[in-house]
Amino acid sequence: DTEVTQTPKHLVMGMTNKKSLKCEQHMGHRAMYWYKQKAKKPPELMFVYSYEKLSINESVPSRFSPECPNSSLLNLHLHALQPEDSALYLCASSQAGGLADEQYFGPGTRLTVT
Amino acid sequence: AQTVTQSQPEMSVQEAETVTLSCTYDTSESNYYLFWYKQPPSRQMILVIRQEAYKQQNATENRFSVNFQKAAKSFSLKISDSQLGDTAMYFCAFAVNTGGFKTIFGAGTRLFVKA
Repeated sequence: DTEVTQTPKHLVMGMTNKKSLKCEQHMGHRAMYWYKQKAKKPPELMFVYSYEKLSINESVPSRFSPECPNSSLLNLHLHALQPEDSALYLCASSQAGGLADEQYFGPGTRLTVT
Repeated sequence: AQTVTQSQPEMSVQEAETVTLSCTYDTSESNYYLFWYKQPPSRQMILVIRQEAYKQQNATENRFSVNFQKAAKSFSLKISDSQLGDTAMYFCAFAVNTGGFKTIFGAGTRLFVKA
């Protein structure tokens, strides 16, 4: 199984809502990533988890809260988002988070904040 | 600062022909990896090819090859015998250790393969 799955596929939320994005992989990978991608732009790294510990936080606002409950799961908790947070949120995983690692991407969650 | 520049926002190529996508990067690190990822319309991003900075030999994967010029910090992708399924956004990226391994993507080149 070389698949990264993400749920939900689409999410519309108001600025006062709390929601979560979920990501799952069963490849035995020990590094997982959250990226934000605006239309026609490259993915921007948000967070990296390595061996279930947060190793990189790219100065992301606290309204985004990542969680890695185990090595197969990655969540992104959302609270009090702004309309400019509307984007495609991509999850990825890699074997160990090393320089040479190929990242396997999920299909993304398209988030709209109203 | 680490940067990746793709100067061609869009390109098109006729089916079965060859096309080259350009990429330049800037880093002060000596150890890094370079990648080309492909993001087809409404489909998941996948790795096309990767190159270790220490290796002089250019990487090849079937119809895909790179021209890695380390001194010039250039990493172009050549697609031979283009196929309709090659239509996608192509991102050049490099991975570097900055207190944690992170991958930095270029702005992308949208490639259209015409029948």
